[in-house]
Amino acid sequence: ILNVEQSPQSLHVQEGDSTNFTCSFPSSNFYALHWYRWETAKSPEALFVMTLNGDEKKKGRISATLNTKEGYSYLYIKGSQPEDSATYLCASDPTGNQFYFGTGTSLTVIP
Amino acid sequence: NAGVTQTPKFQVLKTGQSMTLQCAQDMNHEYMSWYRQDPGMGLRLIHYSVGAGITDQGEVPNGYNVSRSTTEDFPLRLLSAAPSQTSVYFCASSYQIDRGLDTGELFFGEGSRLTVL
Repeated sequence: ILNVEQSPQSLHVQEGDSTNFTCSFPSSNFYALHWYRWETAKSPEALFVMTLNGDEKKKGRISATLNTKEGYSYLYIKGSQPEDSATYLCASDPTGNQFYFGTGTSLTVIP
Repeated sequence: NAGVTQTPKFQVLKTGQSMTLQCAQDMNHEYMSWYRQDPGMGLRLIHYSVGAGITDQGEVPNGYNVSRSTTEDFPLRLLSAAPSQTSVYFCASSYQIDRGLDTGELFFGEGSRLTVL
């Protein structure tokens, strides 16, 4: 069992603010790190799959970085919009087949 | 596009009853998995499969059985339901991860809410 921690647990920001969240995972036995976006009453949807130390991914206003040596990943949202309101999940995969999810960061963007 | 389809969406059982949650995907994914979502906890892996005829246990497998007779289907069976199995269940599938391409993201079904009285 892997302990994956996400912080903060929840976050309220004003429209237009930039924000970031943290995902911490055991640095040993690392295979991949996933980020998902989960809107209320929907299913989680993938944002990024990251496997290489130092990697950076970007999709529109959302980006992520990965540090496998120290066991953390950051997710950044630039210029938050109300439609960014969701819970953001990270999952550590130590083998390529098993996913250990954090409890998520709930983001609310206030118009 | 159907994607990952779970049935039923809602189910109420009495303690000791058995039932099967169905999961089907039409994306020809090798990998399929089941998770449960409980308040205050992250999604927890119950069982997974890397291909037809192959299944393995995840983090919380007790009380659940699975089989994978076809690539498309991955049913989850509760043989004797207990109140502790009240949860929301998600099925997810993916291609096997490709570290060179950073692919292998999970595609989730809409979830099945199970209540055991």
